[in-house]
Amino acid sequence: DGGITQSPKYLFRKEGQNVTLSCEQNLNHDAMYWYRQDPGQGLRLIYYSQIVNDFQKGDIAEGYSVSREKKESFPLTVTSAQKNPTAFYLCASSMALWATDTQYFGPGTRLTVL
Amino acid sequence: GNSVTQMEGPVTLSEEAFLTINCTYTATGYPSLFWYVQYPGEGLQLLLKATKADDKGSNKGFEATYRKETTSFHLEKGSVQVSDSAVYFCAFQDNAGNNRKLIWGLGTSLAVNP
Repeated sequence: DGGITQSPKYLFRKEGQNVTLSCEQNLNHDAMYWYRQDPGQGLRLIYYSQIVNDFQKGDIAEGYSVSREKKESFPLTVTSAQKNPTAFYLCASSMALWATDTQYFGPGTRLTVL
Repeated sequence: GNSVTQMEGPVTLSEEAFLTINCTYTATGYPSLFWYVQYPGEGLQLLLKATKADDKGSNKGFEATYRKETTSFHLEKGSVQVSDSAVYFCAFQDNAGNNRKLIWGLGTSLAVNP
């Protein structure tokens, strides 16, 4: 079955540590996205990638980094520079950039900083 | 600036009750409008959409009509089920310009009791 997988489902991190969230898709989609979801808030765009080896900052990129070395993978690193990293992180992909008709979301990773 | 205002939750209904979740938007141009649903522990799924004024999106018994005159896209369902318990997000995509990222509402939590 085609889809998006995110791992791990729950992640705990000590303050000052970097942590990497995995996102993999087997839908052959060119575009991929990372969103952050906080309680009582809408989704906020962290980074997005239109194609392999290309990515752009979203609205809240500070303290985060990404890479897009393979079409199917778009890992997100939460660095120690991120002031308030505890949140639910959602990865998404679509056939082309901003193509909502083909957009799929992963199940999410809940990050807690201890 | 562009924004979405969505009815605050949580909304609690009995099974077979009528559901309305209000959504209004502020946008330049003529956006496409969406409702997404997030079931417990899962990522978001596109529920329905409308791309021009007076369009009605529908899916799984849910409906929403694109009202340009009131800049609204209210979600309705005539008879809710326990399985409809989820968080519902209103969103729009500005079709003017190159940046067509989604603008999200804060989400409305719905709990349906048997």
